[in-house]
Amino acid sequence: GAGVSQSPRYKVAKRGQDVALRCDPISGHVSLFWYQQALGQGPEFLTYFQNEAQLDKSGLPSDRFFAERPEGSVSTLKIQRTQQEDSAVYLCASSLADRGRSPLHFGNGTRLTVT
Amino acid sequence: GQQVMQIPQYQHVQEGEDFTTYCNSSTTLSNIQWYKQRPGGHPVFLIQLVKSGEVKKQKRLTFQFGEAKKNSSLHITATQTTDVGTYFCAGVRGGADGLTFGKGTHLIIQP
Repeated sequence: GAGVSQSPRYKVAKRGQDVALRCDPISGHVSLFWYQQALGQGPEFLTYFQNEAQLDKSGLPSDRFFAERPEGSVSTLKIQRTQQEDSAVYLCASSLADRGRSPLHFGNGTRLTVT
Repeated sequence: GQQVMQIPQYQHVQEGEDFTTYCNSSTTLSNIQWYKQRPGGHPVFLIQLVKSGEVKKQKRLTFQFGEAKKNSSLHITATQTTDVGTYFCAGVRGGADGLTFGKGTHLIIQP
């Protein structure tokens, strides 16, 4: 069956540009998470959705980061006025149950490079 | 910042030797999960532990959850080259919604 799909796979943006990263979770999965992973580091939690409700956005590093999941399936992570420190791999994960109490299925990620 | 600590950060072993990584949290965890990430890949779920003192085995891998639900370990017996990768623990802290990941232990195997 289809796994979690993320697009684009790679994104190069000039500093100051806006970017939008897309995540297609596994069908029927209630929970959707966004993580940021810097090179050689563990995934850092950004935000969590239960269906269309954004229940936790405590990990978003600044108000330049915005995420939505309007119909409870596809999600978009938007970064406005990108900065060099935003360069990282952005991972999306979905899971069947709510919160972090069932296995997370990760997509391949979007590697964002800000020049 | 991350509140789940993992040690060691890197571990070099000869093929056939054992390997252990340790995970410690500053707060009690509702559950703990372990993931493996191959170079260039994404994290892949290995196992979830929920109960205090729980021990689970998967072939050569043994996972433990501490009695206080603040620490966990992963032990691999007789490592093989296919075990290469980074092993992450991730826990749900009480009252939180998302999994907090450790920084991972990078396992390097020399044949």
